[in-house]
Amino acid sequence: EVQLVESGGGLVQPGGSLRLSCAASGFTFSSYWMHWVRQAPGKGLVWVSRINSDGSSTSYADSVKGRFTISRDNAKNTLYLQMNSLRAEDTAVYYCARDSTADRYFDYWGQGTLVTVSS
Amino acid sequence: QLVLTQSPSASASLGASVKLTCTLSSGHSDYAIAWHQQQPEKGPRYLMKVNSDGSHSKGDGIPDRFSGSSSGAERYLTISSLQSEDEADYYCQTWGTGIEFGGGTKLTVL
Repeated sequence: EVQLVESGGGLVQPGGSLRLSCAASGFTFSSYWMHWVRQAPGKGLVWVSRINSDGSSTSYADSVKGRFTISRDNAKNTLYLQMNSLRAEDTAVYYCARDSTADRYFDYWGQGTLVTVSS
Repeated sequence: QLVLTQSPSASASLGASVKLTCTLSSGHSDYAIAWHQQQPEKGPRYLMKVNSDGSHSKGDGIPDRFSGSSSGAERYLTISSLQSEDEADYYCQTWGTGIEFGGGTKLTVL
């Protein structure tokens, strides 16, 4: 059974940093591209970032470019999102999602971790 | 610009059928989309991919009550024999130079 379990969310002050993790199991993690998607309170889903299977290629939404860094450790079956210079508008539930491989849609999602940026 | 448009809300009675629509922006009518369901207080769940020819491929464990279809720039999700647990937000998603989501449709089961 495919499982994606996010952790690392919490309350952080504006300008602060946080690192999210996503532990993957039930599939060959190193074979799949992975993504982060976020959802602000009461709002819709927004794609944040993606990383290819070996970590050599990454992509970011304009809203987080230069502040967030996606990475992965295939030996630990874990995906990361390093978030720096956090702003109030980064407040959201962050989901990790597995790429379908055939196309850029998400075939499995985690349950999410809440990040709150507030003083 | 690649944009997906969804109606904010829909409703239907228990046991009935409902058809949700996702409209691709001009010039993108040949794009495939994916449908995702988000039940209250839960993470999203992949339902299916719908191609421009109307063919679709469902995710693991998705009941036969869920089906997809297409017409022009519109992609549809039909849910038959509505159950209470179908009350959820439904998002369409597509991909091109970027990855885009529709605004979501909140389905109420009466």
